[in-house]
Amino acid sequence: AQSVTQLDSHVSVSEGTPVLLRCNYSSSYSPSLFWYVQHPNKGLQLLLKYTSAATLVKGINGFEAEFKKSETSFHLTKPSAHMSDAAEYFCVVSDPRGRYTGNQFYFGTGTSLTVIP
Amino acid sequence: EAQVTQNPRYLITVTGKKLTVTCSQNMNHEYMSWYRQDPGLGLRQIYYSMNVEVTDKGDVPEGYKVSRKEKRNFPLILESPSPNQTSLYFCASSSYLAGGRNEQFFGPGTRLTVL
Repeated sequence: AQSVTQLDSHVSVSEGTPVLLRCNYSSSYSPSLFWYVQHPNKGLQLLLKYTSAATLVKGINGFEAEFKKSETSFHLTKPSAHMSDAAEYFCVVSDPRGRYTGNQFYFGTGTSLTVIP
Repeated sequence: EAQVTQNPRYLITVTGKKLTVTCSQNMNHEYMSWYRQDPGLGLRQIYYSMNVEVTDKGDVPEGYKVSRKEKRNFPLILESPSPNQTSLYFCASSSYLAGGRNEQFFGPGTRLTVL
């Protein structure tokens, strides 16, 4: 069975300091992994995705994530936080068998990022 | 522009009054899905559809219905809404690449309040 755990429900950082949002997953198969961002009163926007190519994935707005199979982790990082990064972040696992079973995507419960001026 | 649209964006209704939230995508995606988002619970899948006339229950289907008569449309129907269905609803679509490794595209959300 697939599952996703976002280890922190809330993270606060000061503007200009690094951001780390943690995600662990469990999957019986080689999964695809995604990070989405949701700004207040907005829909979900894809930040980046891992699909079995390079393990270090670069996304939009300076975000990166590293796929570590041995640790079953896919943590999201950014070297320097901006005020505009304040949002809710979701880690998502995709089961590649889902095209046959229909149940493709598994969401974490989200991490709320606060950026302090 | 490739997009998923939902209507209405905001809706306040009363218990028991049937309503439909529409969802449409212009990307020719096979897979479509409905989610509800509640504080502290993340997104939970209500129903999904793998293609026209193929739908199935997600994790929280009680009180909802869907249909997929056309590839681009996937309406969510609440036959008799109740206050516990007050939530933020998202429609999403995705295409099948080899290995099923494509991301979902989300609509802007529909905020529903049932009084």
